[in-house]
Amino acid sequence: GEDVEQSLFLSVREGDSSVINCTYTDSSSTYLYWYKQEPGAGLQLLTYIFSNMDMKQDQRLTVLLNKKDKHLSLRIADTQTGDSAIYFCAERTSSGGYNKLIFGAGTRLAVHP
Amino acid sequence: NAGVTQTPKFQVLKTGQSMTLQCAQDMNHEYMSWYRQDPGMGLRLIHYSVGAGITDQGEVPNGYNVSRSTTEDFPLRLLSAAPSQTSVYFCASSRLAGETQYFGPGTRLLVL
Repeated sequence: GEDVEQSLFLSVREGDSSVINCTYTDSSSTYLYWYKQEPGAGLQLLTYIFSNMDMKQDQRLTVLLNKKDKHLSLRIADTQTGDSAIYFCAERTSSGGYNKLIFGAGTRLAVHP
Repeated sequence: NAGVTQTPKFQVLKTGQSMTLQCAQDMNHEYMSWYRQDPGMGLRLIHYSVGAGITDQGEVPNGYNVSRSTTEDFPLRLLSAAPSQTSVYFCASSRLAGETQYFGPGTRLLVL
């Protein structure tokens, strides 16, 4: 079946690195995404990685993909209070002949001084 | 471009009432979808559309109807609201199915 799992909560100190983890089940997933949701807002695409990549870096964000273990992580360097949000992992999968995104439940990141 | 817009932002309904949540996009995207977001459950797909005139059910379609008469609009109808439909509803669109989705700001619905 299709399932994406994430831990629900992460607390870090300002300036430290945050690592948000995600596992997925569809080994044929071609793209994996990270979305950010700030309070009262919709989801905003942060970054994505293609399944033939191991790592992608974009400024303070580093995405690591272990395709063998179906494990995806998002590392935020020098975490700031503005990074406090819910982070959703999503995998692109095919079902019923159409591609679709399956989302995890989201990880709430709390950044404290 | 306004992106994906949703109206209303907030709505209170009584059990049994019906209403339509509006969603529009101006990016000429073929794929549009509706999700509901509930605490601890992430996003669950209600209905989706891969193009004008084509709709299909997602994970949790019961109690909801959709139509796609134009590329731009994808309204979600609640036929007879129930308290279990209290949630935040997000509309999203992408150029094609499975590509990067762009989300609207959401509609908070409270059913009493």
